[in-house]
Amino acid sequence: DTEVTQTPKHLVMGMTNKKSLKCEQHMGHRAMYWYKQKAKKPPELMFVYSYEKLSINESVPSRFSPECPNSSLLNLHLHALQPEDSALYLCASSQVAGGVMEQYFGPGTRLTVT
Amino acid sequence: QKEVEQDPGPLSVPEGAIVSLNCTYSNSAFQYFMWYRQYSRKGPELLMYTYSSGNKEDGRFTAQVDKSSKYISLFIRDSQPSDSATYLCAMSAASGTYKYIFGTGTRLKVLA
Repeated sequence: DTEVTQTPKHLVMGMTNKKSLKCEQHMGHRAMYWYKQKAKKPPELMFVYSYEKLSINESVPSRFSPECPNSSLLNLHLHALQPEDSALYLCASSQVAGGVMEQYFGPGTRLTVT
Repeated sequence: QKEVEQDPGPLSVPEGAIVSLNCTYSNSAFQYFMWYRQYSRKGPELLMYTYSSGNKEDGRFTAQVDKSSKYISLFIRDSQPSDSATYLCAMSAASGTYKYIFGTGTRLKVLA
């Protein structure tokens, strides 16, 4: 099974709201990623967790707060977002070691900030 | 110069045609190469994964890597309207770097 699941599929939130995106995988992958994708653009890396520890933060504004509660779950907490943050948010996972670099994506959460 | 270059298209072909999609790259350290298919408003789906040089075939799809030319290709045989999507190449230098460099994607339209 190479499935990464994400909830919710769609989210509309106001600029003062707090919401969370959730991601889950059961492939035993120890690296999990958050990407942001705008229309007709490739995915843009935001955060990487390796063994439940934050490994990479691509200078993402603090209104995005990631969390990795365990090896299967990844959350992205959202607060005080701006309309320009509207995008498709993608979760992905991969193995960490062993020379295998296949990265699997979830279906994404389409976020609209009003 | 971008690390990975990919023609954005759109590329329109008739049903049944052989499709060739390509990416060039500049970083000779890249060893891991992936092709993703992405339908509109959906997440990327991993189609093909290749390590180092060579060919890999899976059904109607063939991935080729030419490291000497820094060039990768995805061939789709007997293309179907359901293949209409954006195809993204992605590559990485080493296990554990967590950095995947994506091409901009090629939009493909297969006409019935």
